[in-house]
Amino acid sequence: AQKVTQAQTEISVVEKEDVTLDCVYETRDTTYYLFWYKQPPSGELVFLIRRNSFDEQNEISGRYSWNFQKSTSSFNFTITASQVVDSAVYFCALSFSSGGYNKLIFGAGTRLAVHP
Amino acid sequence: DAGVIQSPRHEVTEMGQEVTLRCKPISGHNSLFWYRQTMMRGLELLIYFNNNVPIDDSGMPEDRFSAKMPNASFSTLKIQPSEPRDSAVYFCASSLASSIGSGNTIYFGEGSWLTVV
Repeated sequence: AQKVTQAQTEISVVEKEDVTLDCVYETRDTTYYLFWYKQPPSGELVFLIRRNSFDEQNEISGRYSWNFQKSTSSFNFTITASQVVDSAVYFCALSFSSGGYNKLIFGAGTRLAVHP
Repeated sequence: DAGVIQSPRHEVTEMGQEVTLRCKPISGHNSLFWYRQTMMRGLELLIYFNNNVPIDDSGMPEDRFSAKMPNASFSTLKIQPSEPRDSAVYFCASSLASSIGSGNTIYFGEGSWLTVV
């Protein structure tokens, strides 16, 4: 089965704390892609990162970093020195081939609240 | 660059009425998706078009839902007749599917917030 699990429903932190959002995936495919999207209170879905299954290098973009570990089927997202503007729902997603085309499925999302 | 454009942003309608949601994908993208987001079920893929052809509509909940893509720059999702349980945010998204398994990034519109009363 193809599945994305985000076990943390809600996380609440105080500004400047570091926070890690967990993502565990299941797939039969050897080639697949993992994504993180952010949904701020305004409702739009904003693309953050895409990672293919053959690239296990960690990635850092400013205060954001991602840790991809195939051995544990995890693609975790860390925000360093969190800010109030980071408050949003964060979705992890998995893209795989289905019926000859790419299909994207989402986890349930983690709601992050950053308090001043 | 213009992103995925959806209209209307908000719609309130009475049960039984027809609802049409519209989407303009990013220019040059050849794949288009309609997703629905609800509290209970999260983000669900309703239908996927590639080169204007519906490829996977297994997520369309029932016959009341239909989607069309008459050309590369326009798609509609229609609900007729609408019911209160259809209340949700409907997202349109697009990507450039260069090859099978390429996992190209899917970009989302701002969503259409539908309330059926």
